[in-house]
Amino acid sequence: DAGVIQSPRHEVTEMGQEVTLRCKPISGHDYLFWYRQTMMRGLELLIYFNNNVPIDDSGMPEDRFSAKMPNASFSTLKIQPSEPRDSAVYFCASSVVGFNTEAFFGQGTRLTVV
Amino acid sequence: GEDVEQSLFLSVREGDSSVINCTYTDSSSTYLYWYKQEPGAGLQLLTYIFSNMDMKQDQRLTVLLNKKDKHLSLRIADTQTGDSAIYFCAESRAGTALIFGKGTTLSVSS
Repeated sequence: DAGVIQSPRHEVTEMGQEVTLRCKPISGHDYLFWYRQTMMRGLELLIYFNNNVPIDDSGMPEDRFSAKMPNASFSTLKIQPSEPRDSAVYFCASSVVGFNTEAFFGQGTRLTVV
Repeated sequence: GEDVEQSLFLSVREGDSSVINCTYTDSSSTYLYWYKQEPGAGLQLLTYIFSNMDMKQDQRLTVLLNKKDKHLSLRIADTQTGDSAIYFCAESRAGTALIFGKGTTLSVSS
């Protein structure tokens, strides 16, 4: 397996534009997590899914953020409209049976909103 | 507080031991983890410890857990320049979501 695949690796967009980040988890993993990493706040859990169902989205900062998992092999994190303070590295991770086993992280998407 | 706390920076010389400390918050956390992040990469699991253990050793890595004080440490023996990275402590809350500290940047000089 190629691991967790995120796209794009880098995204630069103008304030107000819609941004969509994509994630393909490892096949067979039933948990998927979205994290955001910034210097100030470190790694923040945004939302996670179990069997494609959102379980906890309390970390989603605002209504401008939304996440979907239409099937077991694909998830998106959308920001609309984007703002400069959304600039961060966004990580997707997947695991089997929650976190009592290893969580595998993607390479991340570095988002810059200008 | 509600955060997993770590010191932000540690600088050591090659060949010395490194000790990275962490305090966590949820006494019901069943697993505690150390992840490593190299520049431009995602996080990789380095090691973990089950909450009923006091210590776990894995080659150059030693994890110590003090449940009473909710203190976790990672010791890297014979630190190498390739160990330079950010090290994250994490706790598993409610058995599912991992909550991370802000990370400790380890700098190893030769």
